[in-house]
Amino acid sequence: GDSVTQMEGPVTLSEEAFLTINCTYTATGYPSLFWYVQYPGEGLQLLLKATKADDKGSNKGFEATYRKETTSFHLEKGSVQVSDSAVYFCALYSDRGSTLGRLYFGRGTQLTVWP
Amino acid sequence: DSGVTQTPKHLITATGQRVTLRCSPRSGDLSVYWYQQSLDQGLQFLIQYYNGEERAKGNILERFSAQQFPDLHSELNLSSLELGDSALYFCASSPLSGVSRGEQYFGPGTRLTVT
Repeated sequence: GDSVTQMEGPVTLSEEAFLTINCTYTATGYPSLFWYVQYPGEGLQLLLKATKADDKGSNKGFEATYRKETTSFHLEKGSVQVSDSAVYFCALYSDRGSTLGRLYFGRGTQLTVWP
Repeated sequence: DSGVTQTPKHLITATGQRVTLRCSPRSGDLSVYWYQQSLDQGLQFLIQYYNGEERAKGNILERFSAQQFPDLHSELNLSSLELGDSALYFCASSPLSGVSRGEQYFGPGTRLTVT
């Protein structure tokens, strides 16, 4: 079935460091891919998305490219800030058959950025 | 603020009891989704409603049920509560079923503690 695997955390970085959070997926058909972010005490927020192969999603300095050949959607940011500390979820949207309307989430990766 | 509201914010109850969680979607959104977030299981999709009808079912226990009313608000009913039901319960909404392609707007969650 459809699924998402993302790197285990926690990830701890110093401010201005480069961030990569790996995400790979398994899906039939042509899913859309997402990164959601959850700040402490809040619900999830959509961070960025890509709907087809080679699309690059970007927002707030974060980027991720939909790579069909490697079934990956890694999240990157060139220079993290303390305010980026949160849990990041990779997600896949599948709309085939009985799974219509369903998002599949990874386990989440806790990011902590120190000043 | 996502525009999705959930009540109550916190709920403490005893094993064997029944509770109802309420969600009001963003104005104009027809789809409502319920998720359970716990440390051991991560973020689990429970159920989706679209314009009053059930559209997709995930890992929802038989003790749990949901419905969406004509004004589009939704309720998640949890009965015969067990300690393991303690979790954060999120509601999310999106404008259209299927076509939304995974863009969901999450509420702040209801934290349920079963003692």
